[in-house]
Amino acid sequence: GQNIDQPTEMTATEGAIVQINCTYQTSGFNGLFWYQQHAGEAPTFLSYNVLDGLEEKGRFSSFLSRSKGYSYLLLKELQMKDSASYLCAPMDSNYQLIWGAGTKLIIKP
Amino acid sequence: GAVVSQHPSRVICKSGTSVKIECRSLDFQATTMFWYRQFPKQSLMLMATSNEGSKATYEQGVEKDKFLINHASLTLSTLTVTSAHPEDSSFYICSARDSAGAIETQYFGPGTRLLVL
Repeated sequence: GQNIDQPTEMTATEGAIVQINCTYQTSGFNGLFWYQQHAGEAPTFLSYNVLDGLEEKGRFSSFLSRSKGYSYLLLKELQMKDSASYLCAPMDSNYQLIWGAGTKLIIKP
Repeated sequence: GAVVSQHPSRVICKSGTSVKIECRSLDFQATTMFWYRQFPKQSLMLMATSNEGSKATYEQGVEKDKFLINHASLTLSTLTVTSAHPEDSSFYICSARDSAGAIETQYFGPGTRLLVL
């Protein structure tokens, strides 16, 4: 079966760094996406990894290890506006995104 | 990133009426669009995959006669909730696949909040 595992909730302090881990099992693999979803809003695209390694994009970086079925999203210099849910979504062999419940990130001053 | 619009953003209707939701890709062509439903504090649930010029593919458990999908052009897909009931109240989100770039990315519309009284 297909499965996504992320922590349900995390708390971090403004200005700090936080790493959100994701493990997955899919039928085939065509890359992994990270999306941000603020409460009451639709998801917005953050990053995409298809090869092993780290992709850096400003304050956000995403890492992938295909052999381990593992990815993480690293957020640096946290801001209050980063409080949101972060969704790890691998793409299966049919190019369908597989969605979990996401990780709710709470930023405290 | 690419822009996807959705209309209306919010709708309140009486039980038994039909509601149409539009999803448009504004700056790219999307041969494939997706319709999701999300209940509070739950994950996105894929309802159907909408392909331009052909019938939509529905996920298991989603009634195709109740949730009518039409993808008549490369920039527009519509979802019609027919004979809506209170249990259909939810956040409906569309996404459009942009295949023109180096990676096939799904971009989401802002969502439509449906409340059926």
